[in-house]
Amino acid sequence: QKEVEQDPGPLSVPEGAIVSLNCTYSNSAFQYFMWYRQYSRKGPELLMYTYSSGNKEDGRFTAQVDKSSKYISLFIRDSQPSDSATYLCAMSAPRHGNQFYFGTGTSLTVIP
Amino acid sequence: NAGVTQTPKFRVLKTGQSMTLLCAQDMNHEYMYWYRQDPGMGLRLIHYSVGEGTTAKGEVPDGYNVSRLKKQNFLLGLESAAPSQTSVYFCASSYSQGMDIQYFGAGTRLSVL
Repeated sequence: QKEVEQDPGPLSVPEGAIVSLNCTYSNSAFQYFMWYRQYSRKGPELLMYTYSSGNKEDGRFTAQVDKSSKYISLFIRDSQPSDSATYLCAMSAPRHGNQFYFGTGTSLTVIP
Repeated sequence: NAGVTQTPKFRVLKTGQSMTLLCAQDMNHEYMYWYRQDPGMGLRLIHYSVGEGTTAKGEVPDGYNVSRLKKQNFLLGLESAAPSQTSVYFCASSYSQGMDIQYFGAGTRLSVL
């Protein structure tokens, strides 16, 4: 079983839609949860991060963590064509040398 | 501010050839990482370094060697390239352990024929 599972998509939505991206994980030691955005032929860039359970909002983006279900989500409101990218979830645990475990990424296309 | 710079951006090798990928960061970060990214596999950690002169194995270290002679540079070597090493390689760096942002380079696309 992989440490982190993520539906690869692809996901295609019309502009203005609400997008929900999700990851599940198996290691209950994970404490830090991140979402990276990767445009085509570019390196990943950090979008959101949260510590432990709860919600975090930043503009049109909301990250949710449910540690009891080992489930994290990223919501994008009022999606824009510029949001078209691959979204990678990542997580890490203390005392693991800051080793991140990444999901395989979900490819998102927002159609104008 | 360049951040994390990887060279080269593209490379084609023949099976058995060797090469070195260079990663340079100008953020004075202690931690540096090498990942490979393959379709359906996501990002997998090859090796990492927690400081100058130190290296450690990640999830998929076989066939690769690394060196961190200077704090700002992290080199990834392929001694005898194999087609299975065809991938996109990313370098990343972070300031410290625990919850800290990893900053990624733009990647090196490597094909081994």
